[in-house]
Amino acid sequence: ETGVTQTPRHLVMGMTNKKSLKCEQHLGHNAMYWYKQSAKKPLELMFVYNFKEQTENNSVPSRFSPECPNSSHLFLHLHTLQPEDSALYLCASSQGTITDTQYFGPGTRLTVL
Amino acid sequence: TQLLEQSPQFLSIQEGENLTVYCNSSSVFSSLQWYRQEPGEGPVLLVTVVTGGEVKKLKRLTFQFGDARKDSSLHITAAQPGDTGLYLCAGADGGNQFYFGTGTSLTVIP
Repeated sequence: ETGVTQTPRHLVMGMTNKKSLKCEQHLGHNAMYWYKQSAKKPLELMFVYNFKEQTENNSVPSRFSPECPNSSHLFLHLHTLQPEDSALYLCASSQGTITDTQYFGPGTRLTVL
Repeated sequence: TQLLEQSPQFLSIQEGENLTVYCNSSSVFSSLQWYRQEPGEGPVLLVTVVTGGEVKKLKRLTFQFGDARKDSSLHITAAQPGDTGLYLCAGADGGNQFYFGTGTSLTVIP
């Protein structure tokens, strides 16, 4: 595996479910990011992790809970989501800072019923 | 939030035509990037510009950063079907924040 991988690629969940999105990077990078891409809205940066430490949380609701156990893996735990949370969730990584070249995964298409 | 407005939002042209996409903001950015995103994939970085007035060329693509570092343009010469995709500009505020533009969806018809 090379680059940035995300699983699952598609996810349908009810509002009371708990699920997790997984991201793995095979590039030896030290920074990882979660983004949300909704229809008709710009791509939004949600969370930033540097060397496993969260450095940014852009006012994301607590029903989204990130976890970064090591610099290669990033999770996004989801619980009691709303239909408006339906979107494409993208993971990215970069060498050190957010202005370094970011490599994106293919995303997880999430639908909340 | 620093808003990056892209225009046009949608563009459909014939193969061989030229086009320009604009990315405008009222805010100053320390650097600005352009990405292309194809269906079912994440964005892929095309270029980074950091100096006001900077022009970079990538084959048939020409990128320009405005003198005041508030705007940028992407010009494609002799567009090809392989150029089809969503073009996104993105700016860094000098800290740890990164803002994407509203996007331009380009379709090049063979």
